[in-house]
Amino acid sequence: GAGVSQSPSNKVTEKGKDVELRCDPISGHTALYWYRQSLGQGLEFLIYFQGNSAPDKSGLPSDRFSAERTGGSVSTLTIQRTQQEDSAVYFCASSLAGVGAFFGQGTRLTVV
Amino acid sequence: DQQVKQNSPSLSVQEGRISILNCDYTNSMFDYFLWYKKYPAEGPTFLISISSIKDKNEDGRFTVFLNKSAKHLSLHIVPSQPGDSAVYFCAALRETGANSKLTFGKGITLSVRP
Repeated sequence: GAGVSQSPSNKVTEKGKDVELRCDPISGHTALYWYRQSLGQGLEFLIYFQGNSAPDKSGLPSDRFSAERTGGSVSTLTIQRTQQEDSAVYFCASSLAGVGAFFGQGTRLTVV
Repeated sequence: DQQVKQNSPSLSVQEGRISILNCDYTNSMFDYFLWYKKYPAEGPTFLISISSIKDKNEDGRFTVFLNKSAKHLSLHIVPSQPGDSAVYFCAALRETGANSKLTFGKGITLSVRP
């Protein structure tokens, strides 16, 4: 597709379960970001991948969160043992350079 | 420590008037500043950017002004239209290769009254 694709668009999970969120960036984009937006809050940086460099994980809120990017393309964000405070919309974005990153539609995660 | 600050949570303007959205930052090493627009249930979309070596960038009804000495930028929308009603995020980028990332403010909700 032409844009950043995220799946699923909505996910409801029980507290304590693991979830995986997927991001298909724009083909050829070397940079990939994950952000989340909790209710009433701004965009919170989670993790950043750039080419083959080690990712910047400085925004991950706890060790329950991890992300990988396979083959420099698709990325998955994994949240283990989900908690209610993990409920948010998780956005993925990609870019060729930092300027003008393109966002996906987001995955709305609800932990019940 | 918030490096990008949007201190006003909301703004309401009359259609046809100017909307001025403000943003302040603390890191003088940022290389680019960007504005994103977000409608409910959609991802943010890139609107306009400005390099740190410029003081103004214009694109149609949208103009971004940068005041480096004050560490302040603003987005002007003239004339404002009801379709401009959305959340606007200010963002900043420092290009340091592997460690570059977009840092966002908390956003401001703009309402344009018909």
